Amino acid sequence: AQTVTQSQPEMSVQEAETVTLSCTYDTSESDYYLFWYKQPPSRQMILVIRQEAYKQQNATENRFSVNFQKAAKSFSLKISDSQLGDAAMYFCAYWRGSNYKLTFGKGTLLTVNP
Amino acid sequence: GAGVSQSPRYKVAKRGQDVALRCDPISGHVSLFWYQQALGQGPEFLTYFQNEAQLDKSGLPSDRFFAERPEGSVSTLKIQRTQQEDSAVYLCASSRLTGSSGHYEQYFGPGTRLTVT
Repeated sequence: AQTVTQSQPEMSVQEAETVTLSCTYDTSESDYYLFWYKQPPSRQMILVIRQEAYKQQNATENRFSVNFQKAAKSFSLKISDSQLGDAAMYFCAYWRGSNYKLTFGKGTLLTVNP
Repeated sequence: GAGVSQSPRYKVAKRGQDVALRCDPISGHVSLFWYQQALGQGPEFLTYFQNEAQLDKSGLPSDRFFAERPEGSVSTLKIQRTQQEDSAVYLCASSRLTGSSGHYEQYFGPGTRLTVT
């Protein structure tokens, strides 16, 4: 079974600085997708960024980028120029199309200090 | 609709009561998922529908949990004889895609927070 591990329960960053959230996963599959979701307090989960495993190029979305290391099964999220609105719980998730469900890590709570 | 909606947003039930949680997916979305999110944890898969067919219910924790989507749109998650360990946020998500090709995104609702006392 696939597992997703987020080893940092909490992280903090100063406004305008850069922070990296870590994620590792375990799978025997070669074709899959990885996601980072953001869940603000009492608000719904939204997709931040996705990465297809067959793509070697790391995904980027504005201030968000990933460092995808397939051999190491590592998928970290870098947030540049952190903003107060980035404060949230961040979840790393794995998806293997054949069984449809998302498998989530336990999350990292990000605090942004003004 | 504009997004996935869920009702009620909050539910308090006494132990032993039955509850029903509703999910309205995005119009036209074929796939619908239910997840359970315990306090301080990531969401865990409960069940999956493709249209009205329940294709995977492997995540339902016990036979007290039952889900349906009779007309392939609105879904209801029912929990019978609620227990304290059922206290969690129940998330619904929908997706346009049915297969594994192409990129994939599940759109989540705001969740229903269930507290069993």
